Amino acid sequence: EAAVTQSPRNKVAVTGGKVTLSCNQTNNHNNMYWYRQDTGHGLRLIHYSYGAGSTEKGDIPDGYKASRPSQENFSLILELATPSQTSVYFCASGDWDSYEQYFGPGTRLTVL
Amino acid sequence: GDSVTQTEGLVTLTKGLPVMLNCTYQTTYSPFLFWYVQHLNEAPKLLLKSSTDNKRTEHQGFYATLHKSSSSFHLQKSSVQLSDSALYFCALSPDGNEKITFGAGTKLTIKP
Repeated sequence: EAAVTQSPRNKVAVTGGKVTLSCNQTNNHNNMYWYRQDTGHGLRLIHYSYGAGSTEKGDIPDGYKASRPSQENFSLILELATPSQTSVYFCASGDWDSYEQYFGPGTRLTVL
Repeated sequence: GDSVTQTEGLVTLTKGLPVMLNCTYQTTYSPFLFWYVQHLNEAPKLLLKSSTDNKRTEHQGFYATLHKSSSSFHLQKSSVQLSDSALYFCALSPDGNEKITFGAGTKLTIKP
């Protein structure tokens, strides 16, 4: 079965601080995604990647950067965290032929 | 742009009754439609997917039919169980590409 892991699982950060959320997948999928989940908004796409070295802006990229140093790893970076970025963040991986995305367990981020 | 609408935010039913969760979409492309299910404190998982017009697709007792004429992909089950309590997301991939747009989600609660 597909395996996507995220770290940390919970994070408390201060306003203006830098936060890095990490994601690792062992599925050998080309595509990886970062979403945030907020009540009433469903899952919203922040950044995604087609493969190592590539990052693309999703629907809500402002305030976030992404990095894909390898096939397995995809990071989401908040350079200057704000309380509005308090949310649950999900990483997912997927490939072109199945159209299915496999999600990690999520990271709960609180920015105080 | 592409969008997915789920009209019910919260549905509460008694065990054994039928359920239909509504999903309509907008896209100018030939769509792939999905239903994802997320149980409490878990990651979203794929439940159903379809790109074929007027063909019923089924999984784990749930079923849905993509109707391109009405831009709909409603999720149904004939008899709900307590274990069906979860958050259900309808999602759209225009033309089967790498990006998925999720609806806001419907929280289904089943009572004994």
